[in-house]
Amino acid sequence: GDSVTQMEGPVTLSEEAFLTINCTYTATGYPSLFWYVQYPGEGLQLLLKATKADDKGSNKGFEATYRKETTSFHLEKGSVQVSDSAVYFCARKTGGTSYGKLTFGQGTILTVHP
Amino acid sequence: SQTIHQWPATLVQPVGSPLSLECTVEGTSNPNLYWYRQAAGRGLQLLFYSVGIGQISSEVPQNLSASRPQDRQFILSSKKLLLSDSGFYLCACFGDRGPTYNSPLHFGNGTRLTVT
Repeated sequence: GDSVTQMEGPVTLSEEAFLTINCTYTATGYPSLFWYVQYPGEGLQLLLKATKADDKGSNKGFEATYRKETTSFHLEKGSVQVSDSAVYFCARKTGGTSYGKLTFGQGTILTVHP
Repeated sequence: SQTIHQWPATLVQPVGSPLSLECTVEGTSNPNLYWYRQAAGRGLQLLFYSVGIGQISSEVPQNLSASRPQDRQFILSSKKLLLSDSGFYLCACFGDRGPTYNSPLHFGNGTRLTVT
């Protein structure tokens, strides 16, 4: 079935370091891809999305490019801040327009130290 | 834009007790609604989804049930809680355009359930 695999965490970085969180998905159909962020004690917020091959989603300095050839959607940020500490989820959308649903990766905990 | 309300925010219940978590949505009509669970140290698991009043689809066999008595109300229930039901429960729906190709899910703030 449809699945999403994220790199194992937790990830610990110093402020201003470069961030990469790997995400790969099963290549069934042409899914839309998403990154969500969850701050402590809160629900999930959409961070960025991409809907077709070679699309680049970006928001708040984060970027991810839809790579069909490698079935990947890696999240990157050039210079992380302490406020970026959160759990990050990669997701793919399956299902038709009648119901749709998202399949999530297991999440990656990011901690950024000053 | 839609707003998703969940309550309570936190809940501690003994094993064997009943459960009722409520989710209501504002700002949209006839939404597709979803219940996800996030267990400690794990990702999100889709439990139920509903495309309309009285229509419930279950994704995994479990101790929980869901109901949709009104268009914008989605309830998660259990008759007898198990320890394994502990987790963070999130209600979600798509935006105004519904589950179109590129529309994301929007989430409520969740209910943290601890079964003791």
